[in-house]
Amino acid sequence: GESVGLHLPTLSVQEGDNSIINCAYSNSASDYFIWYKQESGKGPQFIIDIRSNMDKRQGQRVTVLLNKTVKHLSLQIAATQPGDSAVYFCAENLYNAGNMLTFGGGTRLMVKP
Amino acid sequence: DAGVIQSPRHEVTEMGQEVTLRCKPISGHNSLFWYRQTMMRGLELLIYFNNNVPIDDSGMPEDRFSAKMPNASFSTLKIQPSEPRDSAVYFCASSLGDRTIEAFFGQGTRLTVV
Repeated sequence: GESVGLHLPTLSVQEGDNSIINCAYSNSASDYFIWYKQESGKGPQFIIDIRSNMDKRQGQRVTVLLNKTVKHLSLQIAATQPGDSAVYFCAENLYNAGNMLTFGGGTRLMVKP
Repeated sequence: DAGVIQSPRHEVTEMGQEVTLRCKPISGHNSLFWYRQTMMRGLELLIYFNNNVPIDDSGMPEDRFSAKMPNASFSTLKIQPSEPRDSAVYFCASSLGDRTIEAFFGQGTRLTVV
């Protein structure tokens, strides 16, 4: 039969607009989160991280928001550029899981010029 | 720093053959991870080493898969015998460890088993 692959959610935005990518994590014991960006043919690259004792962290053009009550993470990209087109993953680390990261399914961001 | 280095970048092999993937982590990093990425299952952790010792191999799919880390600067992931369903991109990543968790990924090895 036909194989069914992961259906990656896709977010399509106009260049210059702001993007918001969402992630629901699974374990309330997770205490550290990372957003990664993966461009075609490359490995995931670190964008920004946040610990569970924070609810917001800002970087250059990116902001991560953490809502522990509903186990939700979001990545906001300001003034989205064509170079931002990629698949974005959130990853979580359990406080008692050493340095292991568990990755979500990913969201594809497409930026229209 | 050259980052995490993986070889080969691409591997095509016949079913039943042995495949060895190689990884050189970033110098000074104490933790090393092998991940597999497929359309079906996304990015899965296969095994995790800390200070060259395997800590968690619960993600290794079968006995056909084995991983070693003989020293701090080298790791291998071996599949013997390989099967078509092993076709995937395999990533190696390393991190400083000691609760510095940010993992740096290599470029990956795209494995095709025919």
